[in-house]
Amino acid sequence: SQQGEEDPQALSIQEGENATMNCSYKTSINNLQWYRQNSGRGLVHLILIRSNEREKHSGRLRVTLDTSKKSSSLLITASRAADTASYFCATDVGGTSGSRLTFGEGTQLTVNP
Amino acid sequence: EPEVTQTPSHQVTQMGQEVILRCVPISNHLYFYWYRQILGQKVEFLVSFYNNEISEKSEIFDDQFSVERPDGSNFTLKIRSTKLEDSAMYFCASSELDWFAGELFFGEGSRLTVL
Repeated sequence: SQQGEEDPQALSIQEGENATMNCSYKTSINNLQWYRQNSGRGLVHLILIRSNEREKHSGRLRVTLDTSKKSSSLLITASRAADTASYFCATDVGGTSGSRLTFGEGTQLTVNP
Repeated sequence: EPEVTQTPSHQVTQMGQEVILRCVPISNHLYFYWYRQILGQKVEFLVSFYNNEISEKSEIFDDQFSVERPDGSNFTLKIRSTKLEDSAMYFCASSELDWFAGELFFGEGSRLTVL
């Protein structure tokens, strides 16, 4: 079984529409993070939500976390062509020091102009 | 804005050769990491480093891998004898605070191609 599985694997929408991506995980977590990756580039941190939080906002991003269902969603509102990228959830299963993030397979988002 | 820088951006090497990938983390960060991403696959944790020693490592990080912080700025990943399956994008990351704070800052990656 995999920690951090996103769905859908691919999502294609029109500019201005909202995009929702989901992530499920299997073990207890300390926090869950969402990252973005443009093709061939590095990962960019978007938002972190802690296990005791249920919802968090950052600009056009809204993240929810349901620890009872072990799931999270990332909503991008009013999407733009520049939002085209892969989006990954990453869970932190903790450790004595240092962060060991476990990434999901990602959702490839395409926003058509 | 401070950023993590990695060199080289792309390295091609022959199987069995040693490779060193270099990273300059953000200057006030204390925790350093290497991750890798094989083409078309997900990002995988390799190792975390704090206070001049490895704090965690994955099953991938076997005896062929080592990390070092030789001076106050660089953080290196060495692969002693590369294998074909080591071909991947290697990402360095750093963070200011420990795992509970969690936000990692990633470099643009070093693409390693083993022939």
